[in-house]
Amino acid sequence: GDSVTQMEGPVTLSEEAFLTINCTYTATGYPSLFWYVQYPGEGLQLLLKATKADDKGSNKGFEATYRKETTSFHLEKGSVQVSDSAVYFCALSDRGSGSRLTFGEGTQLTVNP
Amino acid sequence: GAVVSQHPSRVICKSGTSVKIECRSLDFQATTMFWYRQFPKQSLMLMATSNEGSKATYEQGVEKDKFLINHASLTLSTLTVTSAHPEDSSFYICSAPGTGGGQPQHFGDGTRLSIL
Repeated sequence: GDSVTQMEGPVTLSEEAFLTINCTYTATGYPSLFWYVQYPGEGLQLLLKATKADDKGSNKGFEATYRKETTSFHLEKGSVQVSDSAVYFCALSDRGSGSRLTFGEGTQLTVNP
Repeated sequence: GAVVSQHPSRVICKSGTSVKIECRSLDFQATTMFWYRQFPKQSLMLMATSNEGSKATYEQGVEKDKFLINHASLTLSTLTVTSAHPEDSSFYICSAPGTGGGQPQHFGDGTRLSIL
């Protein structure tokens, strides 16, 4: 079955540091890939997405590129802010699954001033 | 603005109580909605797929009689936790898929359920 593996957290960075959160996946079809962010006590918000190989999703300074050859979708940001502190989830949706999402374990990011 | 509204956001109740959580799609119709459960510091686990006009599809290990799902209309799905016990305490989140292939799901803000 489909699965998503994220790097283990928590991750603690200083403001303006470079961020990478690794995500790899296994899927039987050609999935769409997503990064969601969850702020404390809230639901999930879509951060960015990519629907096919070599697509780059970007939003709010975050980027991730759909790499089919390495089955990866790593999240990056060049300069993090305190307000980026949250839990980040990598997820995939297999087109044959009726839009259901398979989530990674989540990575807690804390950015200190 | 929010495209999926989930209510209530927080519930605290006594053991043995049944609790109903509502998930509404705003400004669009959702023939399918998903219900997830999230334990502290863990990922989201899909509990069931709610289907308008038919029975919900439950994931393996989820008790159908414990977690009743009703998709009453094209904009409303409800999850009822029956005879709740402390082990049912969790964060429950619903979502509705966007239209078109590869579109993201829209999530509600979640319901924090605490059973005393």
